[in-house]
Amino acid sequence: DADVTQTPRNRITKTGKRIMLECSQTKGHDRMYWYRQDPGLGLRLIYYSFDVKDINKGEISDGYSVSRQAQAKFSLSLESAIPNQTALYFCATSDLHSRSTDTQYFGPGTRLTVL
Amino acid sequence: RKEVEQDPGPFNVPEGATVAFNCTYSNSASQSFFWYRQDCRKEPKLLMSVYSSGNEDGRFTAQLNRASQYISLLIRDSKLSDSATYLCVVKGNTPLVFGKGTRLSVIA
Repeated sequence: DADVTQTPRNRITKTGKRIMLECSQTKGHDRMYWYRQDPGLGLRLIYYSFDVKDINKGEISDGYSVSRQAQAKFSLSLESAIPNQTALYFCATSDLHSRSTDTQYFGPGTRLTVL
Repeated sequence: RKEVEQDPGPFNVPEGATVAFNCTYSNSASQSFFWYRQDCRKEPKLLMSVYSSGNEDGRFTAQLNRASQYISLLIRDSKLSDSATYLCVVKGNTPLVFGKGTRLSVIA
C-alpha cells in the first residue's frame, strides 16, 4: 500500500542547488515528520508539523526548511545543498486521534546525493 | 549518555535460534516505547509497541523495565525472513527518538 508517498525516490544534485523533497499521504493523519538517516547515525528528526499551521524544528534543522501546504502534504527544502546533506530522507505520519497517537508510518524514502 | 542506546550487532544466528536485543533509554519521563523493523534500504515499519506489563506477538516478546530504563525484544524460532535491523524507539518530551538499530542476520 502507498499511503505515504515521497518524490523523487532518488536525486543526484550539485553543491549549491536548491532541492525540494515532497511527501504526500492519504492516511488522513494530522501529524507529519521529516527524518534523515545516515549510516551509523540512525534516524534523526529534521522538522515536524502537527497541523497545517504548525511547524517545529527537530534535532538537525539547520540547512533545511519545510512547508505544510495542506494536511496531506509536507515538503522539505534544501536551499543550498551541500555534500554532507547526502543521506536517505524519510517522511512519516502519525494520527492524533488514534489509540496509538505516537505510532509513525513511514514513506519509502528519498535517496539524495549532493556532489 | 545518548538518549536511546542499542548494541549495533550484527547478531548472526542460525535458523530456529532464540535471540534477544536490549535497549536503554536516558529520559526517565519517557512515555511510549516501540520496536520497529527496517529492511535494507527500506522504510522502518512498526513491529510492536512495548507495554509495562510486557507483551507478546507470535514469536516476538517485548518487555519494559522502567526502573532500569531498559527495553528488550526476544525473537523465538528465528526465520530467515527475520533478518533486518531492529530499531528501539522511545517517546519522551519530543516526537519519537530512534536508536541506531541492531542488525540481525539469520543464517540457514
